[in-house]
Amino acid sequence: DGGITQSPKYLFRKEGQNVTLSCEQNLNHDAMYWYRQDPGQGLRLIYYSQIVNDFQKGDIAEGYSVSREKKESFPLTVTSAQKNPTAFYLCASSISLTYEQYFGPGTRLTVT
Amino acid sequence: DAKTTQPNSMESNEEEPVHLPCNHSTISGTDYIHWYRQLPSQGPEYVIHGLTSNVNNRMASLAIAEDRKSSTLILHRATLRDAAVYYCVLFEGGSEKLVFGKGTKLTVNP
Repeated sequence: DGGITQSPKYLFRKEGQNVTLSCEQNLNHDAMYWYRQDPGQGLRLIYYSQIVNDFQKGDIAEGYSVSREKKESFPLTVTSAQKNPTAFYLCASSISLTYEQYFGPGTRLTVT
Repeated sequence: DAKTTQPNSMESNEEEPVHLPCNHSTISGTDYIHWYRQLPSQGPEYVIHGLTSNVNNRMASLAIAEDRKSSTLILHRATLRDAAVYYCVLFEGGSEKLVFGKGTKLTVNP
């Protein structure tokens, strides 16, 4: 089955530690995205990538970093510089930037 | 960023039609209107999108006002599985990104 996988589903870290969230897709999509969702809120764009080895900052990129070394993979690192990292993180992909997006199941990160 | 306004919540009865409204008065000519829905603790699911004309697919219909300042997502026969938060989202052609609002929580009563 084609789709987007995110792992793990739940992640717990201590404050001050960097943590990397995984996102893999086998839909052969060129574009990939990372969003953050806080309770009762909509999604906010962190980073997006149109093609391999290229990515752009979204609306809330501070404290996050990404890489796009393979078409299938778009990992997100939450660094210690992110002031409020506890949130639900969603990865998505699309054929290209102008097409509908397909979302993964999300990773709920808790930092204490 | 272009913004959308939706009611916080709506209720419907099973097997009845549901009309979910969305206002986007600052929409620009190149912005597409997308709708997604999200179940608790899951990723959003694409529903439908359009630019100017009304659109239909197997999940829903999208009615876009002539001036494009508002749109309505129509679920023709609501089922219990349609209970979700529905997001009306503008795809900004210039910045090439989706801008999400808070959405409408739809409750479907049996």
